[in-house]
Amino acid sequence: GAGVSQSPRYKVAKRGQDVALRCDPISGHVSLFWYQQALGQGPEFLTYFQNEAQLDKSGLPSDRFFAERPEGSVSTLKIQRTQQEDSAVYLCASSLAPAGANTGELFFGEGSRLTVL
Amino acid sequence: GQNIDQPTEMTATEGAIVQINCTYQTSGFNGLFWYQQHAGEAPTFLSYNVLDGLEEKGRFSSFLSRSKGYSYLLLKELQMKDSASYLCAVSDSNYQLIWGAGTKLIIKP
Repeated sequence: GAGVSQSPRYKVAKRGQDVALRCDPISGHVSLFWYQQALGQGPEFLTYFQNEAQLDKSGLPSDRFFAERPEGSVSTLKIQRTQQEDSAVYLCASSLAPAGANTGELFFGEGSRLTVL
Repeated sequence: GQNIDQPTEMTATEGAIVQINCTYQTSGFNGLFWYQQHAGEAPTFLSYNVLDGLEEKGRFSSFLSRSKGYSYLLLKELQMKDSASYLCAVSDSNYQLIWGAGTKLIIKP
């Protein structure tokens, strides 16, 4: 596609519900990142994929968070048993090169805003 | 620990010049990036510095001093559409981006 697409744009969940957030990166992009952004803050790293391999998941805040990219393109971030502190915007970004060769131009989706009641 | 500091908010006048500073302490350094983020929208790439000095791109310039752990973004001939948050991010030794909290720039007519 022309850009990074994320869905849903807005999600309201009751505490304890499971949610799944989808990211469709730019076609052919090797690197895919998930970030969490709280209001008025910069993005916080969650996890990184190089093609289908999840090379870094050190930013996932708990074992309730799980991400996959099974065919090296579309990725899904799943949050189980959501809590109020999970409320944030979840940004997906992709880049053409692997992280080590990256000159930094990440292409971001518009994010999925999750509100947990 | 890793830390990126930038002012929370700045105000400037349309047509003027503004400089947004960023200082950093990170484990390793593989480049510094500036992104622009309008409210409710995705961040968009502005600039990348990996060597000391000034990189100029139209109305925007970015400066880096690695020895001082310091960068600034300079915006000239400010336009109302420049009202946004400006995010400083550093690529660390693992090539992961460490982000500042962003500087909200308010442009007044």
